[in-house]
Amino acid sequence: DGGITQSPKYLFRKEGQNVTLSCEQNLNHDAMYWYRQDPGQGLRLIYYSQIVNDFQKGDIAEGYSVSREKKESFPLTVTSAQKNPTAFYLCASSPPAKGSNQPQHFGDGTRLSIL
Amino acid sequence: GQSLEQPSEVTAVEGAIVQINCTYQTSGFYGLSWYQQHDGGAPTFLSYNGLDGLEETGRFSSFLSRSDSYGYLLLQELQMKDSASYFCAVQHAGKSTFGDGTTLTVKP
Repeated sequence: DGGITQSPKYLFRKEGQNVTLSCEQNLNHDAMYWYRQDPGQGLRLIYYSQIVNDFQKGDIAEGYSVSREKKESFPLTVTSAQKNPTAFYLCASSPPAKGSNQPQHFGDGTRLSIL
Repeated sequence: GQSLEQPSEVTAVEGAIVQINCTYQTSGFYGLSWYQQHDGGAPTFLSYNGLDGLEETGRFSSFLSRSDSYGYLLLQELQMKDSASYFCAVQHAGKSTFGDGTTLTVKP
């Protein structure tokens, strides 16, 4: 079945450590997105990519980095510069967003906590 | 920038109809989407409006008025499983901006 796979489901980060969250999709979607969700709040865009080897900062990119070397993969690194990383991280993909209805398909998320 | 407003909580009884409103301020607006998220789960797409008017998908309908920068999600024949958070999201410039969500509680 086609879908988006995020791993791990739970992740713990030590002070000063970088951690990488995996996101893989087999939907053949061009666009991929990373969101952060804090308890009781909406989704805030961290980074997004419309095509391989290209990505743009979202609204809260500081302390995060991404790469898009393959169409299927869009890993997110939470760096030590992100001082409050505890949150639920969601990855999504969609066909190219060119003004028409392009619903986003979400993975099951990764819960990141500080040790 | 982009901003969306929706009520934080709505409560209704099983079998009833509920409307969740969303107002937005944005540039480069393409359309308004609605997503459902059960507690601890992933958001799932419900509906999209690119043009003014009503879109119907089973028990769910969504409405858009571009001139008023306003939309709503209508849920009919409410079931207990409809208890969840509902997010409106504006599509613009190759990405989406989400509202803070409305928590719907359906009571017996």
